[in-house]
Amino acid sequence: AQRVTQPEKLLSVFKGAPVELKCNYSYSGSPELFWYVQYSRQRLQLLLRHISRESIKGFTADLNKGETSFHLKKPFAQEEDSAMYYCALSPAGANSKLTFGKGITLSVRP
Amino acid sequence: GAGVSQTPSNKVTEKGKYVELRCDPISGHTALYWYRQSLGQGPEFLIYFQGTGAADDSGLPNDRFFAVRPEGSVSTLKIQRTERGDSAVYLCASRSSGNTGELFFGEGSRLTVL
Repeated sequence: AQRVTQPEKLLSVFKGAPVELKCNYSYSGSPELFWYVQYSRQRLQLLLRHISRESIKGFTADLNKGETSFHLKKPFAQEEDSAMYYCALSPAGANSKLTFGKGITLSVRP
Repeated sequence: GAGVSQTPSNKVTEKGKYVELRCDPISGHTALYWYRQSLGQGPEFLIYFQGTGAADDSGLPNDRFFAVRPEGSVSTLKIQRTERGDSAVYLCASRSSGNTGELFFGEGSRLTVL
């Protein structure tokens, strides 16, 4: 079974502070990991995926297979980063279901 | 349209009634997914279509829930004998072939069962 755990429900930081949104997963095979974001009054959308090894809007995430983690990080938070963030997993190379965590609300205060 | 379209955006019904929710995916996307999102929870997988067939329906909670995609494009999620616990936002997403992972979501259909 595949499972995604986001241990925190809310993270509130001041603008310019570093951000780390935690994600742990459980999957016996080789996973693909993603972060999805939902801004206020917008639909859920992909932020980044681990296989791309890219930085999107200043966010990065490294897959740590030893710790089964895929934490999302940004060195300097901006107010426009305030949103709901979901970590998600699917089996690698398989066009199958994406399993989501419960999500975390990031609030960036001015 | 450019994105995934879901109708209705809001549906209020009474316990025991039948409900249909429609999803119009991005043109050319072969894979279509239904998720359910309750308050304070992440999207919960219901069913996934590849073309016209249901490739994985393991998330459907019981036999009151059924989904179809007869022509490989538009899909309808059908809920019989609705219960108050069915109240949630029902999300539809589509994905192009060969693109593992990036789902394009609709805005959802909010179902309220009184």
